[in-house]
Amino acid sequence: GNSVTQMEGPVTLSEEAFLTINCTYTATGYPSLFWYVQYPGEGLQLLLKATKADDKGSNKGFEATYRKETTSFHLEKGSVQVSDSAVYFCALRILSGSARQLTFGSGTQLTVLP
Amino acid sequence: ETGVTQTPRHLVMGMTNKKSLKCEQHLGHNAMYWYKQSAKKPLELMFVYSLEERVENNSVPSRFSPECPNSSHLFLHLHTLQPEDSALYLCASSPYTGELFFGEGSRLTVL
Repeated sequence: GNSVTQMEGPVTLSEEAFLTINCTYTATGYPSLFWYVQYPGEGLQLLLKATKADDKGSNKGFEATYRKETTSFHLEKGSVQVSDSAVYFCALRILSGSARQLTFGSGTQLTVLP
Repeated sequence: ETGVTQTPRHLVMGMTNKKSLKCEQHLGHNAMYWYKQSAKKPLELMFVYSLEERVENNSVPSRFSPECPNSSHLFLHLHTLQPEDSALYLCASSPYTGELFFGEGSRLTVL
């Protein structure tokens, strides 16, 4: 079956530190990969996505590269801000018939301190 | 603003009450979803509707009853819930390309 494994949190960083949140996946077929972010008291928002191997998704200074050889989609940001404090979810989707649901990881809580 | 609106944002109900959660999307998507988010647990997919037909029901107890009257509206009818049903209920919609657009959620507390 399909699954997503994220590094366990919580992750606490100082402002301007470098961020990596690891994500690996298991999938039958060729998935599309996503990172979602959930700020306190809100729903999930799409942060970035990649639909094929070697694609790099980027948004708001965050980046993730679809690595088929290592089945990974690690999230990175060069300099985090306090406003980046949130829960980050890695997800995958396989196009299969009418199935359109995503498989989510368990989420990683990030806290950025001033 | 994601284009997916959920009401109410907060709901407190007794175990014998009947209530409904509402979701509305203005994005022209034709698939809609209900997810349950509980503390310290992964997101749980509850129901999927595609073109107003239910295509997924992940063994959800019958005390949760979804309704999708058209492609823009999705309801979750609640009756005789249990305290362990207290959670954040998230609605989402998607285009064919698959990325989900979530509402802000309805925080449910069952007393």
